[in-house]
Amino acid sequence: SQQGEEDPQALSIQEGENATMNCSYKTSINNLQWYRQNSGRGLVHLILIRSNEREKHSGRLRVTLDTSKKSSSLLITASRAADTASYFCATDDRLIYNQGGKLIFGQGTELSVKP
Amino acid sequence: GAGVSQSPSNKVTEKGKDVELRCDPISGHTALYWYRQSLGQGLEFLIYFQGNSAPDKSGLPSDRFSAERTGGSVSTLTIQRTQQEDSAVYLCASSYLSVNTGELFFGEGSRLTVL
Repeated sequence: SQQGEEDPQALSIQEGENATMNCSYKTSINNLQWYRQNSGRGLVHLILIRSNEREKHSGRLRVTLDTSKKSSSLLITASRAADTASYFCATDDRLIYNQGGKLIFGQGTELSVKP
Repeated sequence: GAGVSQSPSNKVTEKGKDVELRCDPISGHTALYWYRQSLGQGLEFLIYFQGNSAPDKSGLPSDRFSAERTGGSVSTLTIQRTQQEDSAVYLCASSYLSVNTGELFFGEGSRLTVL
């Protein structure tokens, strides 16, 4: 079963605008991670937020986590054409995997930033 | 090596043939993961190794799929009697301990096309 689901499926913005992507999940988690995938490439880790954290920043990235709503958002500020990629959230399953275990990925948001 | 290495990068095979996909993780990473990604889709979990053992192989689609890991390092994913629906990009990832402690490092993937 799918753990993370992203919204929207596709997002097209102009350079300089902010991009917000949302992720919802189903079970209790230890942490939530966001990854980026350029077309035809592997995934690259962006940021990890633990279940006891509410917000985290890394450069132009801002991630929030609301465990009561089982949701997270990724904000990319002042977007650039080079940010064009697919973005995935990924979660573990705390109830089953107290330690270790797999990451379940959502279907991703395809972001297009037009110059 | 510096990153996760996968081979072959591209494989075209005929229906019914067996294929082997190889993953060489980052040195010292104890956890290794196999995922499958169909065109324009998210990542589908296949199997996860901790050392040489596979605590979770729940994502393997059928008994035609198997994987092993030797020496706590290289892993091989084998697909027997390939079918057209097996066509996808097979992604391998490794992590230092587990998904609870940090990020996954992905290889560039092996693109499998079954004719």
